[in-house]
Amino acid sequence: SQTIHQWPATLVQPVGSPLSLECTVEGTSNPNLYWYRQAAGRGLQLLFYSVGIGQISSEVPQNLSASRPQDRQFILSSKKLLLSDSGFYLCAWAKGTTNEKLFFGSGTQLSVL
Amino acid sequence: AQSVAQPEDQVNVAEGNPLTVKCTYSVSGNPYLFWYVQYPNRGLQFLLKYITGDNLVKGSYGFEAEFNKSQTSFHLKKPSALVSDSALYFCAVRDRTYNTDKLIFGTGTRLQVFP
Repeated sequence: SQTIHQWPATLVQPVGSPLSLECTVEGTSNPNLYWYRQAAGRGLQLLFYSVGIGQISSEVPQNLSASRPQDRQFILSSKKLLLSDSGFYLCAWAKGTTNEKLFFGSGTQLSVL
Repeated sequence: AQSVAQPEDQVNVAEGNPLTVKCTYSVSGNPYLFWYVQYPNRGLQFLLKYITGDNLVKGSYGFEAEFNKSQTSFHLKKPSALVSDSALYFCAVRDRTYNTDKLIFGTGTRLQVFP
């Protein structure tokens, strides 16, 4: 069966420090991968998605970037964090060729101080 | 562009009563609609989806949703609410236009079920 791993669960970082959040999927190949951010326990904002290795689509201009170095690995990064980067970050995957559901990771709570 | 709207920030209902969480959509082409639930500090869990076929879709935990094309709605329902249903609920639409494949979420509705 397929599983998605996202880490760390919580992270406290100072303003100006770098960020790297990692997400990996097991048990499937060539998944679509997504990064969402949720602010203050409300709506989800799609940040990045990827339909294949090295293919990254950015939804909103921001201080973050994403990379997909391997088929089942999706990394969210920043060179210098801002206070406004605080939030709950969720990674998700879906089968690319169907209209099946997204499977979500357990999320990372990022606090930038 | 595809979008969904959830007009209610919060819905309050007494345990044992029926519940409805509203969602309307705006899409070009056939809509692919989903409902997800989120418990505190957790990822989202899939409840149900509408792709095609029967307008009444049954999902997890006794939830169901009715697809209404004329009203462009996809409301989530449950005949008898439980306190444990209290959570944040998201409606979503999948956007699979050319070179795009993403899930667009509504702003969420907090369901509070009172004992």
